[in-house]
Parts: sequence; C-alpha cells; structure tokens
Amino acid sequence: AQRVTQPEKLLSVFKGAPVELKCNYSYSGSPELFWYVQYSRQRLQLLLRHISRESIKGFTADLNKGETSFHLKKPFAQEEDSAMYYCALKAGGYQKVTFGTGTKLQVIP
Amino acid sequence: KAGVTQTPRYLIKTRGQQVTLSCSPISGHRSVSWYQQTPGQGLQFLFEYFSETQRNKGNFPGRFSGRQFSNSRSEMNVSTLELGDSALYLCASSFGGGENNEQFFGPGTRLTVL
Repeated sequence: AQRVTQPEKLLSVFKGAPVELKCNYSYSGSPELFWYVQYSRQRLQLLLRHISRESIKGFTADLNKGETSFHLKKPFAQEEDSAMYYCALKAGGYQKVTFGTGTKLQVIP
Repeated sequence: KAGVTQTPRYLIKTRGQQVTLSCSPISGHRSVSWYQQTPGQGLQFLFEYFSETQRNKGNFPGRFSGRQFSNSRSEMNVSTLELGDSALYLCASSFGGGENNEQFFGPGTRLTVL
C-alpha cells in the first residue's frame, strides 16, 4: 500500500528565510509525486510535479528515490506563500492519489 | 473556461439519512475523482470514474457509492449517514488518460451529520 508522510503540521518561518517542507513516501513501484497548495479560501491546486522538474513560484522539489523523499524547497519565503501544502503520490496511470496530512506554512512578516 | 462545480456547497443531515452530492467537471474532462477531507484523516480517496465506469476505489464502506453520467457529471451517494461522515467532500476532474494528467479540484461540499 502507498503512504505519504508529512511530519510537520505547522511550519513557521520569517519572510526571506529558506523554506523546506518535508515529504516522505512509501511505495514499491515508481510513483508520481506532486505538491498541492491551498491558499486561504481558495481551492486545492497543483503546485508542481516531479516529472516536470520545474520551479513554480520559486518552489522546487526533487524526488530522492533512495531516501523516498520529495521535499519542497524555496530559498526565500514570501508572505504570500502562507498556505496549506499537501504532498501527494499517484501510482499507476489512473487517478488514485494518496495525500499526506498537509503542512501549514506560516510566513511571518 | 469554467472550473469544477459542486452542489450543494453546504448540507446538514441527521444520522441514518442518505445524501447525494453532485460534481460537474471541466468541459472535456472525462475523469472525476472524489475525496473526503477531515481534520483527523486529511484527504482520502473515495473513488474515480472515467467514461461512466468506476476505475478505482478507496477503502471506504459500501455505504459510499457513486456514478457518472454520459456528460461526465458525477454524483456521490452516502447512505445511512453516521456522525463520522461529517467532512468536506471534494471532487476533482481531469482528462483522465495517461500521465501528466493534472487534477482540478472543486470547492467542495461541506456535509454535517447531526
């Protein structure tokens, strides 16, 4: 069975400080990993996916298969980054997605 | 283009009743997935429908069921409601085939069971 673990419920950082939101997964095959974000009073939306290897809003995430991790990083936090962040795993070609419990990022001005 | 819509947005029911939630996907999307979101369990996958067929199912009891119509609209039904069914129910739509299939989420239906 697949599992996604986000160890931090809340992460508070000062504006301009680096951010790292942790995500570990367990899955025996080759998963697709995603980060979703939910800003206050907005819908859950895709932030980035590992296969795209892109940087969105300054965030990057690298899939480390050896450590089964997919941590989300940003070098300099901004106030508008404050939101709930969910790490998610999709196994196979269908849309059965397993979500972590989420980390609330709070950027302090 | 219009996003995923869910109706109703809020619902209050009592134990033992049943409820039907509706989801209209983005035009052209053929896959609709349903999730239950609670503070304790987070987001949990319920099931996915593609072209009117259930393609995937999560670990929920048979009281939770769904269907999809030919226009890709989907409904989710919960029978014999329990207090623990109180949650935000989200649906998400996507094109549904292969990789790189971004899911777009609706605003959710907030179900309260009294």
